[in-house]
Amino acid sequence: ETGVTQTPRHLVMGMTNKKSLKCEQHLGHNAMYWYKQSAKKPLELMFVYNFKEQTENNSVPSRFSPECPNSSHLFLHLHTLQPEDSALYLCASSLRAGREQYFGPGTRLTVT
Amino acid sequence: DQQVKQNSPSLSVQEGRISILNCDYTNSMFDYFLWYKKYPAEGPTFLISISSIKDKNEDGRFTVFLNKSAKHLSLHIVPSQPGDSAVYFCAGAYGGATNKLIFGTGTLLAVQP
Repeated sequence: ETGVTQTPRHLVMGMTNKKSLKCEQHLGHNAMYWYKQSAKKPLELMFVYNFKEQTENNSVPSRFSPECPNSSHLFLHLHTLQPEDSALYLCASSLRAGREQYFGPGTRLTVT
Repeated sequence: DQQVKQNSPSLSVQEGRISILNCDYTNSMFDYFLWYKKYPAEGPTFLISISSIKDKNEDGRFTVFLNKSAKHLSLHIVPSQPGDSAVYFCAGAYGGATNKLIFGTGTLLAVQP
């Protein structure tokens, strides 16, 4: 595997379910990010991790819980989501001092 | 308040002609700007960037121009090719070592053969 991978690619979940999104980067980067893209809206930064430490939480509701066990892996744990949380969730990574962020293909989440 | 604006949701250009995608920003803290390209069912792919201390950066068919006084940047693609058809996102960056990228809403470019 190369680049940034995300699983699953598609997820449908009920409002009472608990699920997790996984991201893995094979680029040797130190920073990882979660973004949300809703229809007709710009990509919104959710969380930033730098060397496994969370450095940014962009006022994200607590029903989204990130986890970064090491610099290569990032998870987004989901519980009691709302239908308006349906969106494309994108993971990205970058070198600590790098400007360019490299994105995964995203997980298309539908909350029913 | 949207800090990065792409006012044209779509653009259609003939193959071989120039495509010009525009982006305006309001945040004076941005010190770097990036353009990303996104195909359906894929994540955004980095295309080209420019530091705020420069006014032009060129990479093959792609050139980005920055006008700081107008808080405006543009991406020129010449000659345009059908494979360039995608959504193009402009982003402003600030925040030092781990960068915060603030994205625009994107412009859908369609290059007609």
